[in-house]
Amino acid sequence: AQTVTQSQPEMSVQEAETVTLSCTYDTSESDYYLFWYKQPPSRQMILVIRQEAYKQQNATENRFSVNFQKAAKSFSLKISDSQLGDAAMYFCAYYSGYSTLTFGKGTMLLVSP
Amino acid sequence: GAVVSQHPSRVICKSGTSVKIECRSLDFQATTMFWYRQFPKQSLMLMATSNEGSKATYEQGVEKDKFLINHASLTLSTLTVTSAHPEDSSFYICSSRGLAATDTQYFGPGTRLTVL
Repeated sequence: AQTVTQSQPEMSVQEAETVTLSCTYDTSESDYYLFWYKQPPSRQMILVIRQEAYKQQNATENRFSVNFQKAAKSFSLKISDSQLGDAAMYFCAYYSGYSTLTFGKGTMLLVSP
Repeated sequence: GAVVSQHPSRVICKSGTSVKIECRSLDFQATTMFWYRQFPKQSLMLMATSNEGSKATYEQGVEKDKFLINHASLTLSTLTVTSAHPEDSSFYICSSRGLAATDTQYFGPGTRLTVL
């Protein structure tokens, strides 16, 4: 079974600084998808970024970018120019066509002024 | 991104009553919908997967007679918690995926259920 591991229960960053959230996964599949979802205090799950495993280029969405290392099965999220609104729980998730979406346990990001 | 609505956002009910939660895909057709339960400060736990027009597939340990799921159309799925008890109190989240299995899952805003 696929597993997703987020080893940082909590991370802190100051406004305007950069922070990286770690995620590793385990799979025997070669074709799959990876996601980062954000869950702010409202508890609405929001898609931050999606990466297809067959693409070598790292996905980016404005201030959010990933470092996808397929051989190492690593998928970290970098948030640049952090803002107060980035404070949330961040979940890394894995999906292949043969599985349901598998979530990590989450990393709580705290942003201080 | 796609919009998924969920209703009600909060519900309080007495023990022994049934509660229905609706999940709608507002701007896309969802072949598959998912129901999750989330406890405080924990990750999402998948309860069941429903495909339009067919019976839901429940995860191990989830009582299908207690959590009734109906997915009657490509835009609507409902979760009914039957004979609710205080231990059913939780945050329930639905999610929809488009027609392709590789489509991204989008999530509803969740429903806070409190059973007295």
